Amino acid sequence: LAKTTQPISMDSYEGQEVNITCSHNNIATNDYITWYQQFPSQGPRFIIQGYKTKVTNEVASLFIPADRKSSTLSLPRVSLSDTAVYYCLVGDGPNTDKLIFGTGTRLQVFP
Amino acid sequence: EAQVTQNPRYLITVTGKKLTVTCSQNMNHEYMSWYRQDPGLGLRQIYYSMNVEVTDKGDVPEGYKVSRKEKRNFPLILESPSPNQTSLYFCASSFLGLANQKNTGELFFGEGSRLTVL
Repeated sequence: LAKTTQPISMDSYEGQEVNITCSHNNIATNDYITWYQQFPSQGPRFIIQGYKTKVTNEVASLFIPADRKSSTLSLPRVSLSDTAVYYCLVGDGPNTDKLIFGTGTRLQVFP
Repeated sequence: EAQVTQNPRYLITVTGKKLTVTCSQNMNHEYMSWYRQDPGLGLRQIYYSMNVEVTDKGDVPEGYKVSRKEKRNFPLILESPSPNQTSLYFCASSFLGLANQKNTGELFFGEGSRLTVL
């Protein structure tokens, strides 16, 4: 059974880089790693997805080490509007199509 | 506009009164799923469907039913709601990955349905 773990909360200031790590020890060989952002009373929104090494898009980077047992979401130069809860998402093991969300990290950005 | 639509958005009901929360997507996605979100427990998967007429249990399926008769719709049925099913519910959909891969996890979510069972 997959288990994904994230820090419960993080604080940052505007303009700083924020790195949020997710531990997913039982990730299956063909699982992707996906990160979502969620604002209160809204559905999660896709941020970035990767399989290995590093992926970068216009809003974030995702770093995945060779063993793929963890991943780090990097948000460059955060702003107040980045205050949200961030979730990682991986599969629940090699023999199932279930997807498991991490515990979520509440990011608070201060001015 | 590509979207996942849930109805109702808000509902207060009483114990035992059957209800259905509808979910519809207009992106021709194969995969659809229901999640519930509770304070301190994050997002937990209730049921998912890989395609029409194919459904599977998630982590917390007890007390719920689903059906997938059409590709675009995936209703969540609470036959006899109880107060412990008071929660915020999200429907999500996505394309499936390549034939030799599982769901890639790039989910599109609805806006949520807040259900209160008295």
